Order: sequence, then structure tokens, then C-alpha cells
Amino acid sequence: TAGITQAPTSQILAAGRSMTLRCTQDMRHNAMYWYRQDLGLGLRLIHYSNTAGTTGKGEVPDGYSVSRANTDDFPLTLASAVPSQTSVYFCASKDRGTTGELFFGEGSRLTVL
Amino acid sequence: GQNIDQPTEMTATEGAIVQINCTYQTSGFNGLFWYQQHAGEAPTFLSYNVLDGLEEKGRFSSFLSRSKGYSYLLLKELQMKDSASYLCAVSDGNYQLIWGAGTKLIIKP
Repeated sequence: TAGITQAPTSQILAAGRSMTLRCTQDMRHNAMYWYRQDLGLGLRLIHYSNTAGTTGKGEVPDGYSVSRANTDDFPLTLASAVPSQTSVYFCASKDRGTTGELFFGEGSRLTVL
Repeated sequence: GQNIDQPTEMTATEGAIVQINCTYQTSGFNGLFWYQQHAGEAPTFLSYNVLDGLEEKGRFSSFLSRSKGYSYLLLKELQMKDSASYLCAVSDGNYQLIWGAGTKLIIKP
């Protein structure tokens, strides 16, 4: 079972360019999340989706957008990348309910120059 | 504000026992999670505590005291593969996860 697949694994992007990080899960989980992880900081929630067709803003949503057209896919788009968006991005999902463990993708390392 | 505190780094010896502490201040509480993250990899779930007390799972145990806003992760019979970062996360009153910055555990032979 693949679990959660993220793409690309790594990317270097020029400032001002747009980029979409892809996330696909095959576990039929309702809830999906996008986090960024920076050295010395905890995981910070960018956007989330509790179910297909709905999305919400997390702690650090500015500069990012998401969509949830179906259960499996939850892409994250940077419309106009800035150097402060250099980070490791993790997509995660969990099963129905308000508690329960998160399953993470392998991460996407993004460098904005 | 909401806050999770855990030590930045700890060092322990192979075969020994280490305790990683986590203190939290959140608006409401719906459980505390511990995750393990090896360098360059994704976090993976270790444990979940919602009631006070100790939960044991093999070499790893996790303790919770809600009145003190305190948890610890206890790792016994340390192995080199336990070298990783350990992340503490609390589900707050809105079931949003608040994450600590993680504790990097270094195991020496």
C-alpha cells in the first residue's frame, strides 16, 4: 500500500514563480493536511481539509492555496513563491474522527531563490 | 497563547534509558501524541495519551499528567536506530494539533 505520495521530492524554484506540490493518498481518509517544517520550529499547519469539497486555513496560510476536488488528492499551490517559503512540506491524512494518528507523506523539500 | 516545550537535544548511551519531557499550555486538551522522525524522513506515530497515566508499548512508554500539563516519553534499552527527533503534539480544544519543535536524540555507542 502506497499510503501518501508527495511530488516532487525536491524542487528549486525562482522567486515569483508558481509551484504546485502534489499529494495523493489511497487510504480513503477524510481529513488531509499540509504542514511546513522549518529548523527549530514545530510543524506548522498551512491548510487543511476535513472532507472532500471543503478546506480551511491553518496557522500560516498566506501565500498558499489548496483544493480538495476528491477524497484522494490535496494539492498545495504557491502562486508567487518567495524565499521565506523555503521549507520542507509534509502532507498528512487521518481517518474519520477528531483524534487518531496522522499518516505523513515523505515530504517535499522546496528551495526558493 | 498555546505552547509546547521540549528540550532541543539530548544525548544518551546505547543500552541505557532516556526520558524526553514535554510540557504544554493549550486552550483545551483532547490528547497528546508522540511522533518519531528520523533525519530526512516523515514523522511516524509512536503513542497517544488522553487519560493520566503510563502507556507502555514495547521499549517505549508514554506518561501523561493533565493537571500538570506534562508528558514524557521513556525509551528503554536504547539502540542506535533510536537516534531521531521526537515530536510532542497536543490536540487542543478545537481538535487542532499543536506541535513542539522536537527533541533531537543522539545515541552514542
